Amino acid sequence: GNSVTQMEGPVTLSEEAFLTINCTYTATGYPSLFWYVQYPGEGLQLLLKATKADDKGSNKGFEATYRKETTSFHLEKGSVQVSDSAVYFCALGAGGGADGLTFGKGTHLIIQP
Amino acid sequence: DSGVTQTPKHLITATGQRVTLRCSPRSGDLSVYWYQQSLDQGLQFLIQYYNGEERAKGNILERFSAQQFPDLHSELNLSSLELGDSALYFCASSVGQGMNQPQHFGDGTRLSIL
Repeated sequence: GNSVTQMEGPVTLSEEAFLTINCTYTATGYPSLFWYVQYPGEGLQLLLKATKADDKGSNKGFEATYRKETTSFHLEKGSVQVSDSAVYFCALGAGGGADGLTFGKGTHLIIQP
Repeated sequence: DSGVTQTPKHLITATGQRVTLRCSPRSGDLSVYWYQQSLDQGLQFLIQYYNGEERAKGNILERFSAQQFPDLHSELNLSSLELGDSALYFCASSVGQGMNQPQHFGDGTRLSIL
């Protein structure tokens, strides 16, 4: 079946540091890949997505590239801010018909001023 | 604001009881998904409805059921509740039913079983 593996953290960085959160996946077919962010007490918000190999999703300074050869979708940001502190989830949607998203366990990111 | 509304925000009840969680999707979205988030299992897909019809089932227990009404709102019914059902339950919606479409999440209902 489908699965997503990501570093769980917590990951603690200083403000303006470079961020990488690793995400690898296992899926049949050609899934779509997503990063969601969850702030305390809130639901998940879509951060970015990529629907085919070599696509790069980007939003709010975050980027991730769909790498089919390494089955990865690592999240990066060049300079993090305190406001980026949250839990980040990598997820995949199986190609084809209806189904739910498969999520990783989430990475808790803490940015210190 | 995602446009997805879930009620109630918090629910406290006892083992053996039954509860109903409600979700109103974003305007124009036809698909509704239910997810359970717990510390040990993470985020797990439960069930999907599209335009009133059940479309996909995930790890949903037989004690749980759901439906989507003609006005597209959805309800998740949890019965014979056990301590292990304590979790955050999220509803999400999307325009269609394909997995290349992003899902928009509500703020969740926190269910506590005493």
